[in-house]
Parts: sequence; structure tokens; C-alpha cells
Amino acid sequence: DQQVKQNSPSLSVQEGRISILNCDYTNSMFDYFLWYKKYPAEGPTFLISISSIKDKNEDGRFTVFLNKSAKHLSLHIVPSQPGDSAVYFCAARNRDDKIIFGKGTRLHILP
Amino acid sequence: DTGVSQNPRHKITKRGQNVTFRCDPISEHNRLYWYRQTLGQGPEFLTYFQNEAQLEKSRLLSDRFSAERPKGSFSTLEIQRTEQGDSAMYLCASSLASGFSPLHFGNGTRLTVT
Repeated sequence: DQQVKQNSPSLSVQEGRISILNCDYTNSMFDYFLWYKKYPAEGPTFLISISSIKDKNEDGRFTVFLNKSAKHLSLHIVPSQPGDSAVYFCAARNRDDKIIFGKGTRLHILP
Repeated sequence: DTGVSQNPRHKITKRGQNVTFRCDPISEHNRLYWYRQTLGQGPEFLTYFQNEAQLEKSRLLSDRFSAERPKGSFSTLEIQRTEQGDSAMYLCASSLASGFSPLHFGNGTRLTVT
């Protein structure tokens, strides 16, 4: 039973354009949502989060949007840079502080 | 900032052997988590601690797995009688218990069971 779903295994975006990564969830009790970035042979690195009471959070080139009625969130990266090529994990926090991860989306930034 | 440290980085073992991994969290963090990641999957929750208390174990964690955090600082994850299906990346993360605190991950221990 996958509570956090990333339905796109991979995404290719031209350098300088906007990258949009999507995530759906099923548990309405999640109180925070997070995005992590992972390079090969490294652990996931925290990028940005959003509380369930907000609908947008922005940090530099990264913006996360939350649509609670649709149980959907997205991460926007603009402009996309070569160093953004990585696997991105969507994650959500349960009330008991467990964090549940999606399967990830591999982002390729094309020159 | 020393970050979360995991040792060893790689472990190759034969089926049936026991292995132990160590995690040193960020010093002021009182929560410590273990996750497992296999190819094409996201990190899967295994267990977590607040200080030295183990709060929850996932159903994924069979009786062959045990984790400890004896003094509320570093933690160990032991796998007894390893099986080929245990081959994975084992990730440790730490955070603060109060309010919202994102998990900070180590670089993991990659286990290969032959």
C-alpha cells in the first residue's frame, strides 16, 4: 500500500527551463511534505518542505505547491541547471513522526 | 557540522553470516531512524529511536534484524543469518524531536550478500 506515489520514473528537461516533479498521496493525516534530492553513492539531501496548512513554499529556485483537495504536490525548479540532475524523492510525515518516501523521479537536465 | 556518519560504507558478506552497521547521528539530534533502500525504490522505514528508546519497528524488520541505541547517541543495526534478499543500501538519519525537523541522512552502508 503505497501512501506516497511518484508516477514518473524519469523526466528530461532542457537546461534553463522549468522542471516540474509531481507527487500524489493517499493519507490525509500527513502534516508535512518534503522533497529530497539524491546523487549516486550519497544519502538523500533535504531540499524543501511544506506544512499541510500552506499551499506554497519557495526557496530560491525551488518552489513546492500543495493541493490538499487533490492530495497532490509538485516541486518546481526554475531555471533548471546541470547540477539538478539527480533522483528526487517526495516524502510525507505521519503524525507519529515517521517519514514515508515515494519511489523517486530521476531528473535529467539536458544541455 | 560533522553530519550523520555511517560505517562501513560497503560490506560484502556470505549468506548466513552476521553483520553489524554503525550510525553516528548529528550530536544534538535526539531522533535516529534506519531506512533500507533497494534499486528503483525509495527509502523504506525500518525503525526509529528517541534517545535510547526504540519507538517503532516496521513489519519489514524480521526477527533477524535488531537495532540498538544504548546511550542515546550512536546506533547499531545487526542482521543475523544474512540472506541474499537483505542486499540493499541501509540508510541512517537523524532529526530533532521537537516541532518540525527534516531528516538528515548519512551516506549509507551498502550491503551485498553473496
